[in-house]
Amino acid sequence: DIQLTQSPSFLSASVGDRVTITCRASQGIDSYLAWFQQKPGKAPKLLIYAASTLQSGVPSRFSGSGSGTEFTLTISSLQPEDFATYYCQHLNGYPRTFGPGTKVDVK
Amino acid sequence: EVQLVESGGGLVQPGGSLRLSCAASGFTFSDHYMDWVRQAPGKGLEWVGRIRNKANRYTTEYAASVKGRFIISRDDSKNLLYLQMNTLKIEDTAVYYCARAYSSAWGKDYFDYWGQGTLVTVSS
Repeated sequence: DIQLTQSPSFLSASVGDRVTITCRASQGIDSYLAWFQQKPGKAPKLLIYAASTLQSGVPSRFSGSGSGTEFTLTISSLQPEDFATYYCQHLNGYPRTFGPGTKVDVK
Repeated sequence: EVQLVESGGGLVQPGGSLRLSCAASGFTFSDHYMDWVRQAPGKGLEWVGRIRNKANRYTTEYAASVKGRFIISRDDSKNLLYLQMNTLKIEDTAVYYCARAYSSAWGKDYFDYWGQGTLVTVSS
């Protein structure tokens, strides 16, 4: 099974900060990765698929990059509504594992 | 507008059974693979399983943690997805989400819509 790790697990940041989250896969998964945002009590929301393709309606301050085993999610200028937990998920085979999550909170 | 609405959650004793439903609307349900994802209280997301569409013979995939205990099915005539959960364990306590898998021209599918979730509590 493919395992995903995320770093950091927690991140304190201020509005306007540039934020980068890393997701690493235990084996190469090409560009078969998605990123989700989840706020407390809400369902996850798709941000990015195919490692770098922005889902329709997602603000352009979100971007994704990477391939193989290392991927990043970047928020270019953190907004108040971006404080949330972020998960990566691989899209290559089964089980469709999620990363453990990165919580972004207010500094 | 795509909508997914889960129901059927509740309190059940260890060893018991429960069936969750997910009502879909706003899209051609029968075309899509559908998945279940769960989230234990205060924990991360865990993929539970998938059912493919009729063209792919409604075949299923399951996480090792639920294989042999959970069964995913669907009724395309009613736009309903089901998760039959048997021999429930305390560690199955979670919010259960259904999610639509979108198969893009890119070649892989991803979860583009999710329901709001339904809470299953396994406790004596």
